[in-house]
Amino acid sequence: GAGVSQSPRYKVAKRGQDVALRCDPISGHVSLFWYQQALGQGPEFLTYFQNEAQLDKSGLPSDRFFAERPEGSVSTLKIQRTQQEDSAVYLCASSHTGLAGYNEQFFGPGTRLTVL
Amino acid sequence: AQTVTQSQPEMSVQEAETVTLSCTYDTSENNYYLFWYKQPPSRQMILVIRQEAYKQQNATENRFSVNFQKAAKSFSLKISDSQLGDTAMYFCAFSSNRDDKIIFGKGTRLHILP
Repeated sequence: GAGVSQSPRYKVAKRGQDVALRCDPISGHVSLFWYQQALGQGPEFLTYFQNEAQLDKSGLPSDRFFAERPEGSVSTLKIQRTQQEDSAVYLCASSHTGLAGYNEQFFGPGTRLTVL
Repeated sequence: AQTVTQSQPEMSVQEAETVTLSCTYDTSENNYYLFWYKQPPSRQMILVIRQEAYKQQNATENRFSVNFQKAAKSFSLKISDSQLGDTAMYFCAFSSNRDDKIIFGKGTRLHILP
């Protein structure tokens, strides 16, 4: 496929469980972004990779959130010891390179995480 | 810190009418970009239109146009000849010229009625 893909599309976790969310960016895109979208809200930035380097993780809400992109392609967002407030849609986006103004970010369909 | 405010949580218009979605923002930056994104019920976010702050001319993309008022920090989206497929959440967004992240507003849910 030509677009950004994410898996799983839906995830239900019990409070305290660890979850891993996967993002496959558009082939050749250097930059990869994670956003968190709570119900009825706009997306909020979590973290940004350029190739395998995590250049900005200022939006990660706690040390329970961890993201990686070890080979500069696929990325995984991991949430440890999930809490109910982690329930949200997690969006992944990719672009040719950084600087959002210059390069359009293409978004995936998101993973809806529900923590019970 | 930059903020983006959308004061209209929800709007409804008849098909073929023109609708304007409002957005204001706050920043101390001089060079930046503004965006309108569309998020249909299927949830995939799509860029509708982009405006560079240093350009005075308002951006247009077919039926979509913006009214960019830099001094007032206002960035409204006009949809002409609205279509049923325009039904979606619309997010106004901001990005600094020196930054990678996009800052989104809370969105306006737009319903196009047949």
